[in-house]
Amino acid sequence: NAGVTQTPKFQVLKTGQSMTLQCAQDMNHEYMSWYRQDPGMGLRLIHYSVGAGITDQGEVPNGYNVSRSTTEDFPLRLLSAAPSQTSVYFCASSRRQGMANVLTFGAGSRLTVL
Amino acid sequence: SQQGEEDPQALSIQEGENATMNCSYKTSINNLQWYRQNSGRGLVHLILIRSNEREKHSGRLRVTLDTSKKSSSLLITASRAADTASYFCATVNAGGTSYGKLTFGQGTILTVHP
Repeated sequence: NAGVTQTPKFQVLKTGQSMTLQCAQDMNHEYMSWYRQDPGMGLRLIHYSVGAGITDQGEVPNGYNVSRSTTEDFPLRLLSAAPSQTSVYFCASSRRQGMANVLTFGAGSRLTVL
Repeated sequence: SQQGEEDPQALSIQEGENATMNCSYKTSINNLQWYRQNSGRGLVHLILIRSNEREKHSGRLRVTLDTSKKSSSLLITASRAADTASYFCATVNAGGTSYGKLTFGQGTILTVHP
């Protein structure tokens, strides 16, 4: 049981390049989300999904796109990378279980934009 | 905007001592959760306390919640070097459906010296 798997673990981009961070979960969780973690800022929600075909914006969505074609996968796309997007990105999933919403996190993807 | 603010930002103690971390939040909540993050890793769920609960225990962890003060504390008793990590509080807002969205505090860095 792998849980939440994120790839790549590390990535360096130049300003203006695009890339996709991959996230997959094998727990059949309905909810999936992307957070970014910056020093002194805690984790901030970028986008989230409540099921296949349904996504919505979080607190800091600008510059990012998501889609959810299957229950298992929730990729995060950076269309034109900017230095401000240098961060550690975490994908998380949770079961639709009342309001509890206990998150299972991936190991993170560290992105540097030059 | 960050819901939770944690105090202290950093805590350094000796093995065997107790560690107390505090979290304050701004809006009405359904539940409050504590997560742990080891260096370079993803977050791991520790404990959840609901808004109608005042105290909860799990092993060496004790969490209290004071909804009138909008605050929570996490106590780790008889700390070990392996408890060295960052600890985050996270809240699920009251009302509606949270869809797996949590609002995180900035975290407390705990260092336990052998």
